[in-house]
Amino acid sequence: EDQVTQSPEALRLQEGESSSLNCSYTVSGLRGLFWYRQDPGKGPEFLFTLYSAGEEKEKERLKATLTKKESFLHITAPKPEDSATYLCAVRGNAGNMLTFGGGTRLMVKP
Amino acid sequence: DAGITQSPRHKVTETGTPVTLRCHQTENHRYMYWYRQDPGHGLRLIHYSYGVKDTDKGEVSDGYSVSRSKTEDFLLTLESATSSQTSVYFCAISGSPAGGDGNTIYFGEGSWLTVV
Repeated sequence: EDQVTQSPEALRLQEGESSSLNCSYTVSGLRGLFWYRQDPGKGPEFLFTLYSAGEEKEKERLKATLTKKESFLHITAPKPEDSATYLCAVRGNAGNMLTFGGGTRLMVKP
Repeated sequence: DAGITQSPRHKVTETGTPVTLRCHQTENHRYMYWYRQDPGHGLRLIHYSYGVKDTDKGEVSDGYSVSRSKTEDFLLTLESATSSQTSVYFCAISGSPAGGDGNTIYFGEGSWLTVV
């Protein structure tokens, strides 16, 4: 059974204070690790897909990295508009669906 | 915008009544999914479809049924709603319009269901 654990559950940062979100996973045959951003009252918005250990992807102040057991979402010099819940999910060999972690709620104070 | 429309967006219903949520997509994606999202449980898969009339169960399928009679529509039905089915329901799609196994899953805006 695929499993995803995200930490911390909540993270408060000051504007400009860089940090990282963690996503630990166990999966039978990784076919993709996905990061989403979710704003209150909205559906998850796709950010990145990573496929193999060592892979990195960047978008504005966000950079996602992948190892064989975990992924990190690094946030550099965050702004208040980066405040959201960040979700991590994996797709394994079992099928085409995703297994999600519980999310990290990020709050960036000005 | 992945071209996904969910309806209704908000609904309050009574225990024991049937409820149908509709997901409509405009880009001919092969795969469609229904997830529910609850505090403390995250997003969990209810049912999914891999083609017209082809569906399968997810992690939390008890009490739910689905149908897909057209590529663009995926219906989720609660035959007899219970308070435990109060949740936010998200439809999602994946798969390239050409029928290939497009890897990214895109989500709709959600349907808020309250069962009283």
